[in-house]
Amino acid sequence: ETGVTQSPTHLIKTRGQQVTLRCSSQSGHNTVSWYQQALGQGPQFIFQYYREEENGRGNFPPRFSGLQFPNYSSELNVNALELDDSALYLCASSSGQRTYEQYFGPGTRLTVT
Amino acid sequence: DQQVKQNSPSLSVQEGRISILNCDYTNSMFDYFLWYKKYPAEGPTFLISISSIKDKNEDGRFTVFLNKSAKHLSLHIVPSQPGDSAVYFCAAWFLTGGFKTIFGAGTRLFVKA
Repeated sequence: ETGVTQSPTHLIKTRGQQVTLRCSSQSGHNTVSWYQQALGQGPQFIFQYYREEENGRGNFPPRFSGLQFPNYSSELNVNALELDDSALYLCASSSGQRTYEQYFGPGTRLTVT
Repeated sequence: DQQVKQNSPSLSVQEGRISILNCDYTNSMFDYFLWYKKYPAEGPTFLISISSIKDKNEDGRFTVFLNKSAKHLSLHIVPSQPGDSAVYFCAAWFLTGGFKTIFGAGTRLFVKA
């Protein structure tokens, strides 16, 4: 069974740029969620995708957007990067029957300078 | 608006003794509560969940208790082992208005040999 994978591991971007982060869900999982984790804090929910549609969103501005593909992999796109976007971005997958039990990838560390 | 609170940033316990990690919440609409463990440089790992209609769930050394009247849950680890040293996150999940998971800020557990 393959776990959740994320790419890239680390990324450095400049303020105002755009970034795309990628996630492959665990085999058998059809739901993907994205989280932002700042240092010393818990993960903050960005949004969740099920069957290629967003079905839940946290308090993040529209410049945070996502996609889910037919193979259930997913992308997180962030436009107009700000310094405060520097964080660990976590992807989690789950099955439709137990959506609340999420399995996380190792994360992508994004630094905005 | 912190809907899920973990008021203890850290906890130190002797190997073999019980570890009790606490979590408070404010929203009565949560459907499930979960505990995750996180090691450095890894994503959170799912430990155990409990439905809002239950008051106890047990899985091996881990037991979660839910007190709905107090809006409080706790994770008991018995016996504690040095490998349990990690950051533990309490999380709450609900469906109303779209799927959403809210995490606490975490408690760092140190288990001393």
